Amino acid sequence: ELKVEQNPLFLSMQEGKNYTIYCNYSTTSDRLYWYRQDPGKSLESLFVLLSNGAVKQEGRLMASLDTKARLSTLHITAAVHDLSATYFCAVVVNSGYALNFGKGTSLLVTP
Amino acid sequence: NAGVTQTPKFRVLKTGQSMTLLCAQDMNHEYMYWYRQDPGMGLRLIHYSVGEGTTAKGEVPDGYNVSRLKKQNFLLGLESAAPSQTSVYFCASRPQRSSGNTIYFGEGSWLTVV
Repeated sequence: ELKVEQNPLFLSMQEGKNYTIYCNYSTTSDRLYWYRQDPGKSLESLFVLLSNGAVKQEGRLMASLDTKARLSTLHITAAVHDLSATYFCAVVVNSGYALNFGKGTSLLVTP
Repeated sequence: NAGVTQTPKFRVLKTGQSMTLLCAQDMNHEYMYWYRQDPGMGLRLIHYSVGEGTTAKGEVPDGYNVSRLKKQNFLLGLESAAPSQTSVYFCASRPQRSSGNTIYFGEGSWLTVV
């Protein structure tokens, strides 16, 4: 059974600071997704990582994938309040190529 | 282009009642999914479909049934609703694996069972 673990689950950080969210998964997978969710909203796709060593950046967010370590990171640079949201990582499983989600990291950026 | 549309968006049911959630996509996607989201649990896969006329169980299928009679629609049914099925339900779709990696989510359906 594929397990996806995120940490931390809750993160409060000051504006301007840097931090990293970690996503570990238990079995081999060749693609990993990061999503953002605002309260009461659907999921917004941030990144799709397809290969070992993949790195993608969008604004203050940068995601990377190490398939050998079964680890992905989401790095936040110089956080701003607008980044406050819940972030999910998800790994594709063979069953219908569905996504298996982590429990999410609830991020609060404070002044 | 509407993408993935879920109806209804909000519903309150009494225990034992039945209902159907409809997911419609206009992107000619092969794969469709139903997830439920509960606080602190992330999204968990209920059922999925890899094509018209096919369905399969996901991680938490008990108490739900699904049908995919038309390629564009994926229905999720609750035959006898229970309070434990109070949740937010998300539908998602994607093209065949070789046709792209993006997975599209609907806006969600909030269901309360009292």
